[in-house]
Amino acid sequence: DQQVKQNSPSLSVQEGRISILNCDYTNSMFDYFLWYKKYPAEGPTFLISISSIKDKNEDGRFTVFLNKSAKHLSLHIVPSQPGDSAVYFCAASGNFGNEKLTFGTGTRLTIIP
Amino acid sequence: SQTIHQWPATLVQPVGSPLSLECTVEGTSNPNLYWYRQAAGRGLQLLFYSVGIGQISSEVPQNLSASRPQDRQFILSSKKLLLSDSGFYLCAWSVYRAGYTFGSGTRLTVV
Repeated sequence: DQQVKQNSPSLSVQEGRISILNCDYTNSMFDYFLWYKKYPAEGPTFLISISSIKDKNEDGRFTVFLNKSAKHLSLHIVPSQPGDSAVYFCAASGNFGNEKLTFGTGTRLTIIP
Repeated sequence: SQTIHQWPATLVQPVGSPLSLECTVEGTSNPNLYWYRQAAGRGLQLLFYSVGIGQISSEVPQNLSASRPQDRQFILSSKKLLLSDSGFYLCAWSVYRAGYTFGSGTRLTVV
């Protein structure tokens, strides 16, 4: 049962344009969401997060939007740069007392120069 | 500052051989510790997590086990590896609502 879904396994975007990565979740108990970026043969690194009390969080070129009613979040990267090429994982957690993160399957973003 | 060490970086093991991957954390006390696996073409699957010494929770039935002999040490083991155990193994730690910090990963190939 995939509680966090990233339905696009890959995405190609022209350098300088906006990259939009999408994520859907099914568990209504999730209340904290994160995005991680992963390069090959490395561990994921934290990018940005959002709490369910907000609908938007911005950090430089990265903005995460949360639509709780639709159980959907998205990551916007603008402008996209070649160094943004990586696999992006959406993750979610709830106040279950154990801090487990449930990850999506990832989206491979390729920025075309 | 907090750091996480995971080794080895790569490992090639024959089917039926044992496995021991080690992860240690520095700069924090009583972290939650996790073992994840990324199999080819798949996302990050949680294998084990631990909220304290000797406390291990398993997420999926499998050929692997985990132990936490010290507060900042987390070990992933197997008595007999299977081909399906191949993958990229990641250790991570967290404190409350601060997200995860991942190690650099171990690429395990079972041949």
